[in-house]
Amino acid sequence: AQTVTQSQPEMSVQEAETVTLSCTYDTSESDYYLFWYKQPPSRQMILVIRQEAYKQQNATENRFSVNFQKAAKSFSLKISDSQLGDAAMYFCAYRSATGANSKLTFGKGITLSVRP
Amino acid sequence: EADIYQTPRYLVIGTGKKITLECSQTMGHDKMYWYQQDPGMELHLIHYSYGVNSTEKGDLSSESTVSRIRTEHFPLTLESARPSHTSQYLCASSQPLALTGHEKLFFGSGTQLSVL
Repeated sequence: AQTVTQSQPEMSVQEAETVTLSCTYDTSESDYYLFWYKQPPSRQMILVIRQEAYKQQNATENRFSVNFQKAAKSFSLKISDSQLGDAAMYFCAYRSATGANSKLTFGKGITLSVRP
Repeated sequence: EADIYQTPRYLVIGTGKKITLECSQTMGHDKMYWYQQDPGMELHLIHYSYGVNSTEKGDLSSESTVSRIRTEHFPLTLESARPSHTSQYLCASSQPLALTGHEKLFFGSGTQLSVL
């Protein structure tokens, strides 16, 4: 079974600075997808960024980028120019690309606070 | 507007009551999920469905049940609520993208359940 590990329970960053959230995963599969989800206090989950495992290029979405290291099974999220609105809980997630019925597996999440 | 809706947003009930948490999506998605989340904790998959008349139990054992009689509707029922059921319940739906096979997950706003 696949597992997703987020070992840091919380992090803090100064506004306008850069922060990196760590995520590792374990799988025997070669084709899969990785995601970062944001859960603000409103509790509704928002997709931040996704990465296809077959792509070597790291995904980027505006201020959000990932450092995907397939061999090391590492998938960290970098938030540049942090804003107060970035404060939330962030979840790393994994989904197999094989089989139409694969499930999304989440890590435990990390609480990010942004200091003004 | 295409979206995924959960009702109620908040529910406080007494022990032993039967409750149903509603989840509806207007996007025509085949796959739907129920996640349970305690405050500041990880998401746990408790039920999922790949289409009408298809339901499966998730990774976390749950005393709740689900049904999928219509594509757009995926209610979750607790026959006899207990204080241990107090938690946040998140509903989600997804649809594979034709070209990449990747799927995007859409989450509802969640139901915060408190059982006294």
